[in-house]
Amino acid sequence: GQSLEQPSEVTAVEGAIVQINCTYQTSGFYGLSWYQQHDGGAPTFLSYNALDGLEETGRFSSFLSRSDSYGYLLLQELQMKDSASYFCAVRSLDSNYQLIWGAGTKLIIKP
Amino acid sequence: DTGVSQDPRHKITKRGQNVTFRCDPISEHNRLYWYRQTLGQGPEFLTYFQNEAQLEKSRLLSDRFSAERPKGSFSTLEIQRTEQGDSAMYLCASSLGGDSAEKLFFGSGTQLSVL
Repeated sequence: GQSLEQPSEVTAVEGAIVQINCTYQTSGFYGLSWYQQHDGGAPTFLSYNALDGLEETGRFSSFLSRSDSYGYLLLQELQMKDSASYFCAVRSLDSNYQLIWGAGTKLIIKP
Repeated sequence: DTGVSQDPRHKITKRGQNVTFRCDPISEHNRLYWYRQTLGQGPEFLTYFQNEAQLEKSRLLSDRFSAERPKGSFSTLEIQRTEQGDSAMYLCASSLGGDSAEKLFFGSGTQLSVL
């Protein structure tokens, strides 16, 4: 079977940098996605990594290491509006290439 | 781009009743997905359409659940003989294919409460 692990909650200070980790176990890994979801809102796509390395999009970056079955989302210059849940999701042969999601990391930002 | 629309936003029903939800994807998107999400969990894949063809359905999905996308545009998800365990947020998402296939656009969901 497959599994994804991410911390349930992370706390950071406004203006700081925070890293949210995601480890996965799966067969036939295809790619790792990150989504943001505010309370009561819909998930919003942030990034996708299929190859090793860092992808940067503005204040957000995402990293993947296929050999370590590990990825992370890096948020810089944190703003209060970044308070949300962040989900990693994996596409793999195990799931017939459909997205399987982690349980999410609640990011709490303090002023 | 008017986004993904879902109707209704909320549905309260009694156990044993049938319910149907509608999803209108972004018009040029040929891929459509249904997910279910409960509090504190990530979305759980239910089914996937490419145009009007239902290409994938979760192995864990009860046969009380059925989905259609008759003309490759809007989609409906029906749950027959609802159970309390069906209470959840039902999310619809759509995407393009090819290089843009990984970017899913989600609707605001239908919150189902089964009493």
